[in-house]
Amino acid sequence: DAGITQSPRHKVTETGTPVTLRCHQTENHRYMYWYRQDPGHGLRLIHYSYGVKDTDKGEVSDGYSVSRSKTEDFLLTLESATSSQTSVYFCASSTSGRASHAGRGFREQFFGPGTRLTVL
Amino acid sequence: DQQVKQNSPSLSVQEGRISILNCDYTNSMFDYFLWYKKYPAEGPTFLISISSIKDKNEDGRFTVFLNKSAKHLSLHIVPSQPGDSAVYFCAASVQGGSEKLVFGKGTKLTVNP
Repeated sequence: DAGITQSPRHKVTETGTPVTLRCHQTENHRYMYWYRQDPGHGLRLIHYSYGVKDTDKGEVSDGYSVSRSKTEDFLLTLESATSSQTSVYFCASSTSGRASHAGRGFREQFFGPGTRLTVL
Repeated sequence: DQQVKQNSPSLSVQEGRISILNCDYTNSMFDYFLWYKKYPAEGPTFLISISSIKDKNEDGRFTVFLNKSAKHLSLHIVPSQPGDSAVYFCAASVQGGSEKLVFGKGTKLTVNP
């Protein structure tokens, strides 16, 4: 499986403070993604990246920004955290569309372990 | 507008029996479908996938069926084991869509010993 880590794993912060979550992958994957998981909503895409310095918005991007200065790192920033951003955040990565990975489907995304963020 | 729907939030089955998890989609441009399994406090892990050019794909105890005319897919687990207890997410993607996946809300499967 792809080596993908997230830091921190848990964070408690106060409303109005900036927060940055880090995702690091060691598979040289081109694509990286940030999702949030909330009860009753499943996994929703926040932002994604299709290469270094190439990013785009997902379904629920308001209040979030991202940066990707290196292939292996994808940062998610909450400029001014709100209680509605309390959630579990997952990072994922995938290789290019037409390449297979270990014989599996070529659009498989590999997920990190998640970051539980609480905004008080 | 929810493009991928998992209408059953939960499912409970007995060990050894078949588990059937269902997923419906609305976007006819989806051409690849995936199932992920998620345990508590862990990230989702890939389980099985199917291309729209197929109607069935098997991997051990797991089989995914695709009915394009009905825009419906299902995941069959036979026989079900207690370790299969997890949340299962259905996901779909469009070719050329930056490999983005659209996920359903998930179905929590409980396999009772």
